[in-house]
Amino acid sequence: GQQLNQSPQSMFIQEGEDVSMNCTSSSIFNTWLWYKQEPGEGPVLLIALYKAGELTSNGRLTAQFGITRKDSFLNISASIPSDVGIYFCAGQLFGSSPSYDKVIFGPGTSLSVIP
Amino acid sequence: GAVVSQHPSRVICKSGTSVKIECRSLDFQATTMFWYRQFPKKSLMLMATSNEGSKATYEQGVEKDKFLINHASLTLSTLTVTSAHPEDSSFYICSARDLGRAPWTEAFFGQGTRLTVV
Repeated sequence: GQQLNQSPQSMFIQEGEDVSMNCTSSSIFNTWLWYKQEPGEGPVLLIALYKAGELTSNGRLTAQFGITRKDSFLNISASIPSDVGIYFCAGQLFGSSPSYDKVIFGPGTSLSVIP
Repeated sequence: GAVVSQHPSRVICKSGTSVKIECRSLDFQATTMFWYRQFPKKSLMLMATSNEGSKATYEQGVEKDKFLINHASLTLSTLTVTSAHPEDSSFYICSARDLGRAPWTEAFFGQGTRLTVV
């Protein structure tokens, strides 16, 4: 089955620093998604990427859909304390068969911001 | 838009009883819903995918009779944990998307349900 890998597993950074995290897959996806999850809450969608090569920004966040459709990165500029959380990449598949419709999550990157 | 609501947010039940968790799409019709399970400090594990009007598709290793999923309508899916045991204690999260709205739409998540079986 599809598997996603995320790096780094965890990050400790100083407030104001930029952050970069990656996600790779053993297979291609139609869509790449980046989510943030805080303790006891469901994931919140940050950025959705629909086409290979697409570069999309959402405020201080920028993400790109890799050309091979097997990878994506997320950058956070000028980090602030409220950026703390776990960031998950997710690959989404679409298809006519119900068994083909899936959203698969990576293991997550835990971000800690030191004020 | 694209709000998904889960209920309850927390539930404690006795071992051997069944628990039902609801997932509702509040402002769109969800033709596809996903149920996930998340262990502490771990990623979300897809349990099953349900499409309105058809049976859920379960991931390998997920017991269909243990985790009953019913996509009752275009705005409601339920997950019933039957004969719950302490090892079923976990954070259960649903998500929903609307294939009818655009060719490519992302899945939106509920706030999760913390199940504790005692």
